[in-house]
Amino acid sequence: QVTLKESGPALVKPTQTLTLTCTFSGFSLSTSEMRVSWFRRPPGKALEWLARIDWDDDTFYSTSLKTRLTISKDTSKNQVVLSMTNMGPVDTATYYCARGSSWYSVDYWGQGTLVTVSS
Amino acid sequence: QAVVTQEPSLTVSPGGTVTLTCASSGAPVTSGYYPNWFQLKPGQAPRALIYSTYNKHSWTPARFSGSLLGGKAALTLSGVQPEDEAEYYCLLFYGSAQLVFGGGTKLTVL
Repeated sequence: QVTLKESGPALVKPTQTLTLTCTFSGFSLSTSEMRVSWFRRPPGKALEWLARIDWDDDTFYSTSLKTRLTISKDTSKNQVVLSMTNMGPVDTATYYCARGSSWYSVDYWGQGTLVTVSS
Repeated sequence: QAVVTQEPSLTVSPGGTVTLTCASSGAPVTSGYYPNWFQLKPGQAPRALIYSTYNKHSWTPARFSGSLLGGKAALTLSGVQPEDEAEYYCLLFYGSAQLVFGGGTKLTVL
């Protein structure tokens, strides 16, 4: 059974760095073709892809946010970590992690974690 | 960055059929964009429905189908059920691994 769960602070202050952890089970990120992506959905707005890390350590970032994002993995802990610098109110959103089992699919999602940016 | 467009809202009667579409700015959507479709309900994790244009996940109900239609990706629901009321998002894969979502379609079953 594949599960993913996001964890991190519910509230961050403007200019701070957000660090989120995705802890998963039911698959290994050392297995060929496995990937984990981060997404977000601001209140009342559309889903947005943020970043992806692949089983072979390749990383990919949204063009519009790449200067602020870092994605990494700890295969032994079954975790993927996303850092986003210089947080602002527009970054208030529910953040999700999800698995991809091929280049062109996203299948299992976490429940999401709401992050509010406010002083 | 490409802009992906979906109908903002659609309404369908129970038992009816509805098609949601997904267009990419400047070019027709082809299978090379590997369209994915997702269902979002309040308070729930997003649920993947379709990948690579028309492939269903093991949990995808048979009434959901994906296709290409007139230069767009399409998601068709046949025999709509009340529980299909939700938001639906398409996702397109662009070169150099850029993933872009559409703005979402709010489907009302009425």
